[in-house]
Parts: sequence; C-alpha cells; structure tokens
Amino acid sequence: KQEVTQIPAALSVPEGENLVLNCSFTDSAIYNLQWFRQDPGKGLTSLLLIQSSQREQTSGRLNASLDKSSGRSTLYIAASQPGDSATYLCANHQTGANNLFFGTGTRLTVIP
Amino acid sequence: DTAVSQTPKYLVTQMGNDKSIKCEQNLGHDTMYWYKQDSKKFLKIMFSYNNKELIINETVPNRFSPKSPDKAHLNLHINSLELGDSAVYFCASSPLGGRRGYTFGSGTRLTVV
Repeated sequence: KQEVTQIPAALSVPEGENLVLNCSFTDSAIYNLQWFRQDPGKGLTSLLLIQSSQREQTSGRLNASLDKSSGRSTLYIAASQPGDSATYLCANHQTGANNLFFGTGTRLTVIP
Repeated sequence: DTAVSQTPKYLVTQMGNDKSIKCEQNLGHDTMYWYKQDSKKFLKIMFSYNNKELIINETVPNRFSPKSPDKAHLNLHINSLELGDSAVYFCASSPLGGRRGYTFGSGTRLTVV
C-alpha cells in the first residue's frame, strides 16, 4: 500500500529565504504527483501537477521536481513571503488505484 | 464561478441525527470523490464514483452512503451521526480517473455534539 511521507512536519523561515519541502513515497508506480496548499480552515488549492513522464514543473516562484525511481518529490519556494504561510500537501495517483494518496503535510510559517 | 462546490460549509448537529452534504462540479470531469480529513489533518479517500458508478468504497461505516444522481453531482448522506464522525469532508473531481490531476472543494466542517 502506498505510503507518502513529508519532511519536515513544520518549518519556520524568515521572509525572503528560499526553501525546499520534501515528499517521499513507497511505491514508484504512479501516474502523477500533485502539490497542494491548504490555508487554515480552507480547502485545498492545487499548486503544481507533475505527470510521471515529467521531471519538474514550474509556476512563478514554485518549482516541483519528481524522481520516480527514488520515490521522491521536492517543492522549491523561492524568495518566500508571509503569504506563503500555509500547510503544503503532496499526493500521488498510484497506477491501478483510483484515488490520491496524501502525505502528512508540512506546515510552513514565513516570518516577516 | 466555483469549479467544485460543497454545501453546507459548516454543519453542527446532535448525535443520532441524519445529515447530507452536497457536492457539484462544473468541470465536466468523469470521476468524483469524497475524502475525510481527520483531526490530525490527514486526508483519506472514502468513496470514488466514475460516471455515476461506485468505484471505491473504502472501509467506511455503512452509515455513510454516497449517491450520484448524475456525473456532476455526488452527495454524501450520513445516518445516526456519532461523535467520531466530526471531521472536515472534502469533495473532489478529476478527469480521466485522476490521471490529469484533481480539483477539490472548499470542504464541509462537520461537528457532532
């Protein structure tokens, strides 16, 4: 059964720093991996979707990479801002399954 | 123009009551889902419907019954609510059975008292 782990569980950085969030998964047979953002008391906002054939995706200050063979993905946030403070979730769609398997999340706080 | 909309946003009810949560998507996706987010913020699949047909039914008490009247709607009915049902329930949809990413609703926070 697919297990998805995110490290660290919480991260606090000063504004302006670049940072990396990590996601690892046990079964590399996936269709895609998706990064989400969740603000307190809110829903999930999709940030980036990487198909299994892709190595990375970029959107603005965000860059997500995928290494299927090693079961890892990273989300790189450049020049962090207080508005980036949220919980970041990674999830993958496993081949043969019909749903997303979620990680445990990383709670990010960017200090002004 | 909301892509995946859930109602209600908040639901407070007493133990033993029956309640429903509604979900609608206007994205033309063929698959819809219900996820539960527990107190530790972990998200887990409950049900998945593809073109009105039940695909996934995880280990969920049979007090929970999903209903899909058409491809754009997936409702969740809960009978005899218990304290442990308190959680945030998210509806989601995806095209091609999830192979092109998922879109989530804003969630329904259910509190059973």
